[in-house]
Amino acid sequence: DSGVTQTPKHLITATGQRVTLRCSPRSGDLSVYWYQQSLDQGLQFLIQYYNGEERAKGNILERFSAQQFPDLHSELNLSSLELGDSALYFCASSDPGGGGEQYFGPGTRLTVT
Amino acid sequence: DAKTTQPNSMESNEEEPVHLPCNHSTISGTDYIHWYRQLPSQGPEYVIHGLTSNVNNRMASLAIAEDRKSSTLILHRATLRDAAVYYCILRDIEGDFGNEKLTFGTGTRLTIIP
Repeated sequence: DSGVTQTPKHLITATGQRVTLRCSPRSGDLSVYWYQQSLDQGLQFLIQYYNGEERAKGNILERFSAQQFPDLHSELNLSSLELGDSALYFCASSDPGGGGEQYFGPGTRLTVT
Repeated sequence: DAKTTQPNSMESNEEEPVHLPCNHSTISGTDYIHWYRQLPSQGPEYVIHGLTSNVNNRMASLAIAEDRKSSTLILHRATLRDAAVYYCILRDIEGDFGNEKLTFGTGTRLTIIP
């Protein structure tokens, strides 16, 4: 158990809909990262938040957005969903005083039908 | 991000050592070498990292070549639970503070033969 929690575990929704994925980092970790894992693209970095502020952006679509709240949990919002958005979404957290290692949650499997 | 090259797959017998290679010929002086693994149906898991010297922890050992252009992750006694995809990743320690994204390649799929 990494200490990072993600909800829900599974999500099935239809095209055009909007969903919110939630992540709670390890206690004390200030950084939260979101990654997407699909069969054809592998694991790809989406976005990073550090203590409530956006710090780095990767291959995140404009239809996707995220935020980190004062209690440090984070939400990833996916809108106007398309079939190609079906993937595993992982959240990770890290401690700024650590060695740079990231701790990943169990993921949310999103299926868009 | 500097690129790494790993074999697509490897097999090893249970209870024998496993050496997983990684080439990173364009590594810079400020790149740390990180290893993660992903077990089936789980999120990636941190294994080990190093800069220049060999490193050991409870999970594995990391052997880094003197010129740093390659490294080897060593599992001393493989078990069936070590079957996973292993990723070798370079991360620039002098990048913007807080910008520590990981760039995953395709990794090496390790199969353990009972």
